[in-house]
Amino acid sequence: ELKVEQNPLFLSMQEGKNYTIYCNYSTTSDRLYWYRQDPGKSLESLFVLLSNGAVKQEGRLMASLDTKARLSTLHITAAVHDLSATYFCAVDDIGGTYKYIFGTGTRLKVLA
Amino acid sequence: DVKVTQSSRYLVKRTGEKVFLECVQDMDHENMFWYRQDPGLGLRLIYFSYDVKMKEKGDIPEGYSVSREKKERFSLILESASTNQTSMYLCTSTSSYEQYFGPGTRLTVT
Repeated sequence: ELKVEQNPLFLSMQEGKNYTIYCNYSTTSDRLYWYRQDPGKSLESLFVLLSNGAVKQEGRLMASLDTKARLSTLHITAAVHDLSATYFCAVDDIGGTYKYIFGTGTRLKVLA
Repeated sequence: DVKVTQSSRYLVKRTGEKVFLECVQDMDHENMFWYRQDPGLGLRLIYFSYDVKMKEKGDIPEGYSVSREKKERFSLILESASTNQTSMYLCTSTSSYEQYFGPGTRLTVT
């Protein structure tokens, strides 16, 4: 059974600090996706990582993918309050069905 | 601009009612999905569709059905709504490389 695990599940951090969210998965997929969700809202696409070694950055967020380790990281640099949200990673079901398997989410709270 | 729309943002229905949730995409995608999201349970796949008139069960199809008569529209049907179907429902449409989410429908069954 394909599993996607995120840690930590909850993260409270001070503004200005750095931190990393981890996403481990059990399939051999080489595609991984990161999403952001604000309370009461839908999911918004942040990053699409399509190959081993892929690294993408947007503002204070940087995502990377290591398909050999089956690990993706979402690194937060100098956190600000506006980054408070829940972050999900997701992996393709490589059976070619275009099904996505989501992690449990990491709820991030940045304290001013 | 890519768009997935859902018919209602908020919906309140009574137990036993038949409920229709509509999802429309304007990207000519073949693949569309319905998820529900509940606290502590993450996103769970209800049904998905690869093409018009085609449907596949996801992980939790019980109590739901779907309809896809046109490529752009994927409907989720609750045949007889129950209180345990109170949830946030999310529709998505996918290309080869990306999944686009609708705004979600928060359904409350009383």
